[in-house]
Amino acid sequence: KQEVTQIPAALSVPEGENLVLNCSFTDSAIYNLQWFRQDPGKGLTSLLLIQSSQREQTSGRLNASLDKSSGRSTLYIAASQPGDSATYLCAVRNDYKLSFGAGTTVTVRA
Amino acid sequence: DAGVIQSPRHEVTEMGQEVTLRCKPISGHNSLFWYRQTMMRGLELLIYFNNNVPIDDSGMPEDRFSAKMPNASFSTLKIQPSEPRDSAVYFCASSLSGNPTYEQYFGPGTRLTVT
Repeated sequence: KQEVTQIPAALSVPEGENLVLNCSFTDSAIYNLQWFRQDPGKGLTSLLLIQSSQREQTSGRLNASLDKSSGRSTLYIAASQPGDSATYLCAVRNDYKLSFGAGTTVTVRA
Repeated sequence: DAGVIQSPRHEVTEMGQEVTLRCKPISGHNSLFWYRQTMMRGLELLIYFNNNVPIDDSGMPEDRFSAKMPNASFSTLKIQPSEPRDSAVYFCASSLSGNPTYEQYFGPGTRLTVT
């Protein structure tokens, strides 16, 4: 069974600082890995999807890396803003199934 | 594109009552997923349909839970009878299984409270 772990569980940074969120998974036979954002009381917004054959994906201030062999992914958010405050979820796909981590709750202080 | 539509957005009911949650997937998508999110267990897959057929229901917690997909544009998740421990946010997601990324698109969720 795929186990997904996200560290840290919570993070508080001043505005402008870079954010580094970590995700690890136990079964490296994955199809892809997705990072989601969830605002309080809201649904999931997909941020980045990395195929198993890729090493990284970038979208604006967001960059996600994937090291499948070691079972790790990192989400970098550059120059954080208060609007980046949310919970970030990592999800790994094996076959059709997505397995989610518990999330990292980020607070960016103005 | 309207995205995945779920109704109701909030549901408050008393223990023992029947609850029905509804989902309309993105038009053209042939895979549909129901998830449950709780503080204790995070996001868990309850059931997966492909081409309207249930493929994996191993995540359905017990017989009180049932799900149907009568056609490609509608699915229901029913809890009968409901219990306080069923209180959670229920998400529906859809995807196109022929798409190489198989990316799942999530609805806004239904927040269920059972008192």
